[in-house]
Parts: sequence; structure tokens; C-alpha cells
Amino acid sequence: QQQVKQSPQSLIVQKGGISIINCAYENTAFDYFPWYQQFPGKGPALLIAIRPDVSEKKEGRFTISFNKSAKQFSLHIMDSQPGDSATYFCAARGNQAGTALIFGKGTTLSVSS
Amino acid sequence: EAGVAQSPRYKIIEKRQSVAFWCNPISGHATLYWYQQILGQGPKLLIQFQNNGVVDDSQLPKDRFSAERLKGVDSTLKIQPAKLEDSAVYLCASSLGWAGPAYNEQFFGPGTRLTVL
Repeated sequence: QQQVKQSPQSLIVQKGGISIINCAYENTAFDYFPWYQQFPGKGPALLIAIRPDVSEKKEGRFTISFNKSAKQFSLHIMDSQPGDSATYFCAARGNQAGTALIFGKGTTLSVSS
Repeated sequence: EAGVAQSPRYKIIEKRQSVAFWCNPISGHATLYWYQQILGQGPKLLIQFQNNGVVDDSQLPKDRFSAERLKGVDSTLKIQPAKLEDSAVYLCASSLGWAGPAYNEQFFGPGTRLTVL
């Protein structure tokens, strides 16, 4: 129940295309869903995050879509660029003091030029 | 603003040896986290500090791992003795705090890559 399942494990997209990464969760107590971007040799960096009271959040080329009833959320990267090539992690956390982020296993995105 | 600092960046040790990692969080950040990231997996929380008190250490293998955060600033994570399965990247993160719906952003350091031979 504490897991966050992420797919696909790897993704290859042409420059200018749309990259889509999906995550699913079981714990209905989760109410904060961030996406992190990690480049080789670096720590993860927060990309965008959503709370379940909205169904979509957009920041530039990055959009989170959230489906509370299905307990799923996804990251869409529009107009994908070679610089977006990185590993992306979804995560979830509950609104209780001391609860930690639970991360998915990650998706390695390669954007070919 | 300076980020989260970690050292060393790389460490290679033999199994059964001990090792220590150091983390300096962003100035003013009350909450500090240590994560273990095994190759091909997402980070897994080992321990979380609020100031110098432990909030969550439920996934810390306490028979071999220990951590402290003196004076609520820097932190060290120690492994003694190390096992082969401890090979991973150890990430330190910090946030302003943890206060209900504030959802303070966690800032990660570059990590320490540990190889146990």
C-alpha cells in the first residue's frame, strides 16, 4: 500500500515529441505528488508537484495530470528537447507529520535529435 | 543560495569496513533527510531529522547504520560494518521544515556513491 508504481522504465522520444510517464498509487492518504528530475551525478531536483484537489497543473512544457478516482498521475513533457534527457521519478507523501516521500523506480528518458 | 553539500562524492571500501558520510544542509533548513538510492531504483528514506531530533528512522538498518545531527545543522551517516548490498548512492536532502500543508520542497545534494567490494 505504500508503493508508487512507475512506468515505463525507459522511454525514447524524438525531439519535439511528447514524453508521457505514468504513476499509480494505492494509499488514499497520499495527498502530495511531486515529480523529480535527476541528471547523472546529480541529486534529484523538484520539477513540478500537484495536490489532489486539482486535476492538472502546468508549468511551461511540463504538465501533471491527476486522476484521483483511478489513483493515477502522469507527467507530460511537451516539445521534448535533448536537454530533457534524464531520469524522472514520481513520488507521493501523506499529510501527516513525519511522513516521508515514497519514490517510484524512475523512468530514463532519452530525447533524440 | 548555496545548495546541500555532501562529502565525499565517491567512496570505495571492502566489506566489513566502516564508512561515514557528511552532509551540510542549506542554511536555515530545519529538516534533514538521508536517502539510499540503489542503482535503477528511486531514493528510499533512511532517516529524517527535525532540527536535531529524529522524526522517522523506521527504514534505517540500525544494526549497522547510524546517523546524527549535532546542533541541528550538519549530519553524518555511518555504516559499520558495510555489506555488499550497501553499495548505493547516499543522498542528503533538506527542507525549511515540515508543517502540515506547507509541503516544503526538499533540496537534494549531489550524493555520495559508495562501492563495497
